[in-house]
Amino acid sequence: GAGVSQTPSNKVTEKGKYVELRCDPISGHTALYWYRQSLGQGPEFLIYFQGTGAADDSGLPNDRFFAVRPEGSVSTLKIQRTERGDSAVYLCASSPSGGGYNSPLHFGNGTRLTVT
Amino acid sequence: DAKTTQPNSMESNEEEPVHLPCNHSTISGTDYIHWYRQLPSQGPEYVIHGLTSNVNNRMASLAIAEDRKSSTLILHRATLRDAAVYYCILRDRTNYGGATNKLIFGTGTLLAVQP
Repeated sequence: GAGVSQTPSNKVTEKGKYVELRCDPISGHTALYWYRQSLGQGPEFLIYFQGTGAADDSGLPNDRFFAVRPEGSVSTLKIQRTERGDSAVYLCASSPSGGGYNSPLHFGNGTRLTVT
Repeated sequence: DAKTTQPNSMESNEEEPVHLPCNHSTISGTDYIHWYRQLPSQGPEYVIHGLTSNVNNRMASLAIAEDRKSSTLILHRATLRDAAVYYCILRDRTNYGGATNKLIFGTGTLLAVQP
């Protein structure tokens, strides 16, 4: 079946611009996660949704970053006034409900964001 | 911060078994040990997880030490397609010790497989 889909796969933007990154989770998965991965590092947690609500946004680095999931399915990560330090691969993952804390996460292949 | 320690890199020959170690000395009694791997230009992929007993699935085996302070991911016959970064992960806990939904990745072990 279809996995987690992230669009675009690559995004180049100029410093100061606004960007939106989209995540389509696996159908029926109620949990959705955003991670960010810099070169040579492991993924870093940003935010976790259970349904429509952000259950944990403690990983968002500052108020330029915001994420929504209005209907409990597709999620959008929004970055305002981008900075060169925001350049990274942004990964989305989903997992099914009812599996508890140990349900495996299914990751997409990420969006590579480059801020020039 | 990552709560696990892994070697930065390891090398294996094709068709041979690979043992990837992980130390997690601060693990709590109810923490599961999770393993994911990340192939080049892809997102992480779930491999296996376990609590106390050794676990097997079609991808790998997980051997957990009796004191649970270390574990080993075993690939029984490495192939070139197993070349990846392997992450050993514990879930984050709150300041009060409760489990959270965050997987905290470290930098993992880069496995190279030689033909």
